[in-house]
Amino acid sequence: QKEVEQDPGPLSVPEGAIVSLNCTYSNSAFQYFMWYRQYSRKGPELLMYTYSSGNKEDGRFTAQVDKSSKYISLFIRDSQPSDSATYLCAGLTGGGNKLTFGTGTQLKVEL
Amino acid sequence: EAGVTQFPSHSVIEKGQTVTLRCDPISGHDNLYWYRRVMGKEIKFLLHFVKESKQDESGMPNNRFLAERTGGTYSTLKVQPAELEDSGVYFCASSTGTNLDTQYFGPGTRLTVL
Repeated sequence: QKEVEQDPGPLSVPEGAIVSLNCTYSNSAFQYFMWYRQYSRKGPELLMYTYSSGNKEDGRFTAQVDKSSKYISLFIRDSQPSDSATYLCAGLTGGGNKLTFGTGTQLKVEL
Repeated sequence: EAGVTQFPSHSVIEKGQTVTLRCDPISGHDNLYWYRRVMGKEIKFLLHFVKESKQDESGMPNNRFLAERTGGTYSTLKVQPAELEDSGVYFCASSTGTNLDTQYFGPGTRLTVL
């Protein structure tokens, strides 16, 4: 079983839509949860991270973690064509440096 | 400030040949990581350097892979001899080493083994 499961998509939404991206994980030792964004032919770029359970908001982006159900979510409000990219969730154990990634969800926001 | 750079951007070699990938981290970053993405799979950790020392090499697939970071600056990842299953995108990342510091990724080297 993969430690982090993520629906690969692709997911296509109209501009302005609310996007919900989700992951599940199995490693109970994860304490930090990251969302990375990766544009084509580029490396992953950290969008935001959360520690343990709870919500974190940054502009149009909101990350949620529910440790009881081992569920990670990223919401994008007022989606823009420039949000079109692959979104990767990742887990990190406390004190660890080794990121464990999901496969990524490809998102396309259409005009 | 320059980001993480990787060279080459793309390499095509034949099975059995040797390939060396290079990563230049962000200046001042003591931590350097190698990750790999095989087609259709997730990005997977290979190893972690702190300065010139290997901190964690638990993700290295086998002894055909050799990573070095002489002098604690740039790093090389050599694959010798290359096999078909080594094809993928190899990412390098670097970080400062503080608690939960951000790993900054390079654009990756796309390796194709024929």
